[in-house]
Amino acid sequence: GNSVTQMEGPVTLSEEAFLTINCTYTATGYPSLFWYVQYPGEGLQLLLKATKADDKGSNKGFEATYRKETTSFHLEKGSVQVSDSAVYFCALRSGGNKLVFGAGTILRVKS
Amino acid sequence: NAGVTQTPKFRVLKTGQSMTLLCAQDMNHEYMYWYRQDPGMGLRLIHYSVGEGTTAKGEVPDGYNVSRLKKQNFLLGLESAAPSQTSVYFCASSPFSGGLQETQYFGPGTRLLVL
Repeated sequence: GNSVTQMEGPVTLSEEAFLTINCTYTATGYPSLFWYVQYPGEGLQLLLKATKADDKGSNKGFEATYRKETTSFHLEKGSVQVSDSAVYFCALRSGGNKLVFGAGTILRVKS
Repeated sequence: NAGVTQTPKFRVLKTGQSMTLLCAQDMNHEYMYWYRQDPGMGLRLIHYSVGEGTTAKGEVPDGYNVSRLKKQNFLLGLESAAPSQTSVYFCASSPFSGGLQETQYFGPGTRLLVL
């Protein structure tokens, strides 16, 4: 079946540090891939997405590239801010209407 | 435009009690979903609906029922609550266009504690 594996957290960084959160997937066919972010006390918000191999999704300084050969969709940001502290979820959609989520990675950014 | 709203925000139940969680969206979306979020497990789909009057089971449907009598509302019912249903429940909706389901929009969540 379809599944998503994310690196375990929490990830703790100092402000302006480089961020990478790893995400790999298992799926049949050619899934669309997503990163969602959940700020404290809120619901999930779409951060970025990519719908085919080699696509790069980007938003708010975050980027992720759809790598079919390594079945990965790692999230990166060059310089994190305290306001980026949140839980980040990688997800895929493969056919149908359903999203499959990873377990989530907590990011804590210290000033 | 309120987006996706959920009622209540927090509830405490005793084992065996029943309750209904309400989700409402004002974006005229076709699809609606109920998820539960548990520590270390991400979000898991409970039930979903592809249109008014239709519902379908997701990954973890046991112990829950749903109804979609109006396009804008999606209700999640617990007939006899169990401690294993202690969780945070999220509702989401998405439009349908060009033969594809589009991005899902999430509500703020309902925290449920079953004692």
